[in-house]
Amino acid sequence: EAGVTQSPTHLIKTRGQQVTLRCSPISGHTSVYWYQQALGLGLQFLLWYDEGEERNRGNFPPRFSGRQFPNYSSELNVNALELEDSALYLCASSLEGQGAWETQYFGPGTRLLVL
Amino acid sequence: GQQVMQIPQYQHVQEGEDFTTYCNSSTTLSNIQWYKQRPGGHPVFLIQLVKSGEVKKQKRLTFQFGEAKKNSSLHITATQTTDVGTYFCAGPESGAGSYQLTFGKGTKLSVIP
Repeated sequence: EAGVTQSPTHLIKTRGQQVTLRCSPISGHTSVYWYQQALGLGLQFLLWYDEGEERNRGNFPPRFSGRQFPNYSSELNVNALELEDSALYLCASSLEGQGAWETQYFGPGTRLLVL
Repeated sequence: GQQVMQIPQYQHVQEGEDFTTYCNSSTTLSNIQWYKQRPGGHPVFLIQLVKSGEVKKQKRLTFQFGEAKKNSSLHITATQTTDVGTYFCAGPESGAGSYQLTFGKGTKLSVIP
């Protein structure tokens, strides 16, 4: 069974640019979560999508947005990039959309560097 | 919102020594999960605890959930270099009527051979 996949693996952008990160969940999983992990810091919750709907959102500005497609894959968009957006962006999926009750399976992440 | 606080932030041990990380919450948790992230890797699920006072073991790892369901611990007996990584606890946090996992800041374990 394939795990969670993310693309691209690495990205370099400049301040003010926009970026789109992509995630494909494990087959059969309906929920996708996005996290930001800045260097040396923990996992900061960004967004949770289930069955195409946004279920919850972390404490991030509106320039962080996303969506989930009918095949349950997801995109994370970040507009007007700032230097502090440099981080590892992790996507995770879970089976049934039960949120904190479910195991989350993480992808390898996309490492974003903003110059 | 509710937070899970994790201590210590860093721990350096000699190979063969024991290691413990603690997770505390100001509110009662319905469940708690533990994850491990190897250097350069992504978090990997270790275990979920649900019941008050629950203790679960995985080889040299022992996980406990407090009686009041407000704290948890992970203990590793006789650490090995393969135990190196950051250990995160995660508990539910409410928002918009849904509960998502909130991760502690993690304990980074270094094992000196």
